Amino acid sequence: KAGVTQTPRYLIKTRGQQVTLSCSPISGHRSVSWYQQTPGQGLQFLFEYFSETQRNKGNFPGRFSGRQFSNSRSEMNVSTLELGDSALYLCASSLEAGEGDYGYTFGSGTRLTVV
Amino acid sequence: AQSVTQPDIHITVSEGASLELRCNYSYGATPYLFWYVQSPGQGLQLLLKYFSGDTLVQGIKGFEAEFKRSQSSFNLRKPSVHWSDAAEYFCAVGWYYGGSQGNLIFGKGTKLSVKP
Repeated sequence: KAGVTQTPRYLIKTRGQQVTLSCSPISGHRSVSWYQQTPGQGLQFLFEYFSETQRNKGNFPGRFSGRQFSNSRSEMNVSTLELGDSALYLCASSLEAGEGDYGYTFGSGTRLTVV
Repeated sequence: AQSVTQPDIHITVSEGASLELRCNYSYGATPYLFWYVQSPGQGLQLLLKYFSGDTLVQGIKGFEAEFKRSQSSFNLRKPSVHWSDAAEYFCAVGWYYGGSQGNLIFGKGTKLSVKP
């Protein structure tokens, strides 16, 4: 079956612009999470959506937002881009069928460069 | 607060040699533990996970990990490293509460280089 699909793979934006990243989870997966990966801070949790509702949120400024659609696809948006937002953004999906099923499958990420 | 420590930033081993990557966690209860691998420019691939039961867990690509509660450790091992194992390895912890799973907390990663 298809894995987690993130688009686009690469993106270059200018400071002050906004950007939208997309994530299509594995078919049947209802939870989508977003992580930011940078060389300095490593992998940091942004937020998680389940059944179109934000269920959990990391410690990021309000410029970072997201949403989930009825088909479980998710988007994240970053407004007023800063140089420090340059990172690999990873999406992960989860089935959420029960405790024994706990786990996340990650996409290949979107590499965002802010210039 | 929960945290994960991978003390080794970079490890170099010879092809065919054994490997052990260290991971220590800080958490109030028994967490869910994971090892992921990341090749350059790629996402994270799950190697193995531990929830409960047998403390020695087998994963893909010949990797295994041992959970030691007394040491709060979950070290990753492989008896014979192949050149294709060169990548970055991440240890992560998570938890399950109220009928739903929480987010993962990752260590900073260990970059593995393999000498021919």
